Amino acid sequence: DSGVTQTPKHLITATGQRVTLRCSPRSGDLSVYWYQQSLDQGLQFLIHYYNGEERAKGNILERFSAQQFPDLHSELNLSSLELGDSALYFCASGRQEDEQFFGPGTRLTVL
Amino acid sequence: DQQVKQNSPSLSVQEGRISILNCDYTNSMFDYFLWYKKYPAEGPTFLISISSIKDKNEDGRFTVFLNKSAKHLSLHIVPSQPGDSAVYFCAASARTSGSRLTFGEGTQLTVNP
Repeated sequence: DSGVTQTPKHLITATGQRVTLRCSPRSGDLSVYWYQQSLDQGLQFLIHYYNGEERAKGNILERFSAQQFPDLHSELNLSSLELGDSALYFCASGRQEDEQFFGPGTRLTVL
Repeated sequence: DQQVKQNSPSLSVQEGRISILNCDYTNSMFDYFLWYKKYPAEGPTFLISISSIKDKNEDGRFTVFLNKSAKHLSLHIVPSQPGDSAVYFCAASARTSGSRLTFGEGTQLTVNP
């Protein structure tokens, strides 16, 4: 158990819909990272938040957004969903320059 | 542009023998390297890391070697155990650009009893 929690574990929705994925980092970790793992691609970095502020953006679509709240939990919002958004979404937390610890992931299926 | 590559999608090893997983990178700004293990339906689990100022780091059965001039790192598992069977990901970061991890495609390790 990494100490990082993600909800929900599974999510099934339809194209065009909007969903929110939630992540609670390990106690004491100020950084939250979001990654996407599609079937045909490895783990791709989406976005990094540190203590409530966005620090870096990767290959994140404009339809996707994220935020980190004062209690340090983070949410990833995915809107206007397409079939190709079906993937595993992982949250990781860590200290600024340390190992990242991953949550169990949320499996999103868009039908 | 695949900056981190694991050219072997799979590796099969006998229990008790050495497993060697390889990883190559192209971005010379990478200065921190990590290995993760992943079981199906779980998140990646951190195994071991190495900073670019070192060329070797050991932790129990796991040793990571870094060859900066070749932009190559490897993970050695000795002795290999059936429970080591999983997908292994190599990852790299450039701490000057925010510690985001760039992952390789992964290598499926199977350790046969």
